[in-house]
Amino acid sequence: DAGVIQSPRHEVTEMGQEVTLRCKPISGHDYLFWYRQTMMRGLELLIYFNNNVPIDDSGMPEDRFSAKMPNASFSTLKIQPSEPRDSAVYFCASSLGPSGGNEQFFGPGTRLTVL
Amino acid sequence: KQEVTQIPAALSVPEGENLVLNCSFTDSAIYNLQWFRQDPGKGLTSLLLIQSSQREQTSGRLNASLDKSSGRSTLYIAASQPGDSATYLCAVGQGGGDMRFGAGTRLTVKP
Repeated sequence: DAGVIQSPRHEVTEMGQEVTLRCKPISGHDYLFWYRQTMMRGLELLIYFNNNVPIDDSGMPEDRFSAKMPNASFSTLKIQPSEPRDSAVYFCASSLGPSGGNEQFFGPGTRLTVL
Repeated sequence: KQEVTQIPAALSVPEGENLVLNCSFTDSAIYNLQWFRQDPGKGLTSLLLIQSSQREQTSGRLNASLDKSSGRSTLYIAASQPGDSATYLCAVGQGGGDMRFGAGTRLTVKP
């Protein structure tokens, strides 16, 4: 398996623009997680899905952020409109089961810069 | 609220030295604890996963221990090599998707 795949790897955009980050989890993994990593706050869980259904989105910072998982092999994280404080590395991870007992596998991340 | 702390924040050692990285957490009601490695500009690589019922896990030169009652875990690296230089993060799993990460320890192994 190729592991968790994320695209794009780097994204530079201007404030106010819409940004869409993409993730393909490992085949057969039922759980998908979106994280954000910054120097100030470290790694934070934004949202996670189980069998394509959003389970907990309490980490999503604002209504400008939305995430979807239309099928078992694809998820998107959208920011509209983007702001400079959204600049961070966004990671997608997947696992066979919930975090209580199962290993999470991370993608390479998308480095987002909002000017 | 679960708080995960890693000490030290940075560590520099000469090649060949054995070393210990520390992780502490405030709520002992955890399902598991996972150690990750992160290289600059890269994603996280899982190193070891310890279930709450286990005391330790070993993989090659790495050994991780877990003491739930005291809220501590250690990652022991034997015979360190320059290739071990990276940031090491611990994360506690609390069920569902709730995983809390420490800020990490940045390790430098000098040749």
